[in-house]
Amino acid sequence: GNSVTQMEGPVTLSEEAFLTINCTYTATGYPSLFWYVQYPGEGLQLLLKATKADDKGSNKGFEATYRKETTSFHLEKGSVQVSDSAVYFCALGTGANSKLTFGKGITLSVRP
Amino acid sequence: GAGVSQSPRYKVAKRGQDVALRCDPISGHVSLFWYQQALGQGPEFLTYFQNEAQLDKSGLPSDRFFAERPEGSVSTLKIQRTQQEDSAVYLCASSYRGQGARTDTQYFGPGTRLTVL
Repeated sequence: GNSVTQMEGPVTLSEEAFLTINCTYTATGYPSLFWYVQYPGEGLQLLLKATKADDKGSNKGFEATYRKETTSFHLEKGSVQVSDSAVYFCALGTGANSKLTFGKGITLSVRP
Repeated sequence: GAGVSQSPRYKVAKRGQDVALRCDPISGHVSLFWYQQALGQGPEFLTYFQNEAQLDKSGLPSDRFFAERPEGSVSTLKIQRTQQEDSAVYLCASSYRGQGARTDTQYFGPGTRLTVL
């Protein structure tokens, strides 16, 4: 079956630090890959996505590259801000209806 | 434009009660999904509609869970005889296209937090 594994959290960083959040997956078929973010008190929002191997998704300074050979989709940002504090979910979509399979999520806290 | 809305935002039920959770998807969106998110976990798929047709209900945990979307827009998730293990946030998501659109973005509502006492 499909599964997504995220690194254990929580993660606490100082402002302007470099961020990497690891995500690996197993899937039948050829999935699309997503990062969703949940800011405090808000719903899930799409952060970025990639739909085929070697594609790079990017948004708000965040990037992730679809690596089929390592079945990974790690999220990176060169300089985090306090406003990036949130819960981040890696997900894959596959199958006829593209239902999403999520990782457990990781909480990021950025201190000034 | 308006996003996905869900009501109520919070629901407290006594064990054994029936509950109904409502989802209003983005207007014109063909696909509608329900997910269940337990505390500290990622969302888990429950069921999928394309317009009014329920094409996948493989994630519904028991026959106490029932979902409908009779006119292809608003959807209701009903849980009968609620149990404590049903306590979770129930998320609704919609996307523009139907089956085969694996690259489509799902837009999520704020969720309904269900607490069963």
